[in-house]
Amino acid sequence: GAVVSQHPSRVICKSGTSVKIECRSLDFQATTMFWYRQFPKQSLMLMATSNEGSKATYEQGVEKDKFLINHASLTLSTLTVTSAHPEDSSFYICSARAGTDKETQYFGPGTRLLVL
Amino acid sequence: QKEVEQDPGPLSVPEGAIVSLNCTYSNSAFQYFMWYRQYSRKGPELLMYTYSSGNKEDGRFTAQVDKSSKYISLFIRDSQPSDSATYLCAMSEGSNRLAFGKGNQVVVIP
Repeated sequence: GAVVSQHPSRVICKSGTSVKIECRSLDFQATTMFWYRQFPKQSLMLMATSNEGSKATYEQGVEKDKFLINHASLTLSTLTVTSAHPEDSSFYICSARAGTDKETQYFGPGTRLLVL
Repeated sequence: QKEVEQDPGPLSVPEGAIVSLNCTYSNSAFQYFMWYRQYSRKGPELLMYTYSSGNKEDGRFTAQVDKSSKYISLFIRDSQPSDSATYLCAMSEGSNRLAFGKGNQVVVIP
């Protein structure tokens, strides 16, 4: 149980384009989903927290107009990197929290974004 | 001082040895403690979850929490090459937010 998927697993795009990453909880309903960014040999940096049906809460320093988050259902959240630039290249990981287990987050496999 | 400190390693051990990992933290409000395993280019996988102080054992893995010292540990017995990964500690006050360590790279040599 507690499986989280992400799509795509890898994406290469040109500078200036927008990229959408999907995060799905496959076998449970996720009231809360989280988006992280991870640089090589670094830990996970929380970007934003999204609750189903409401606006995402962004961490300090994360541009909400750049990283659009939509949590339209209890099993799907999307992160759109708008007007991507090479410095946005990173490993993006989502996690989901099941409603009954408030402290445990289950992570997706991650999406590697490369902006040329 | 960072909220969570974790030595990034790498830590190399021979197969069959005990792997000992630890994290220290500064926030005394942390109550929930987790260890995640992350293979290269993959998302973290939850290994152990502990509430408050104490020990928890699951197969070859043992997690220890000492809240008085603000110190948590993960032990891996009879280590296998498949245990080679990065191990991240994470902790929470009981809100949404998890605070992560930097991760400790472990290499188990056959």
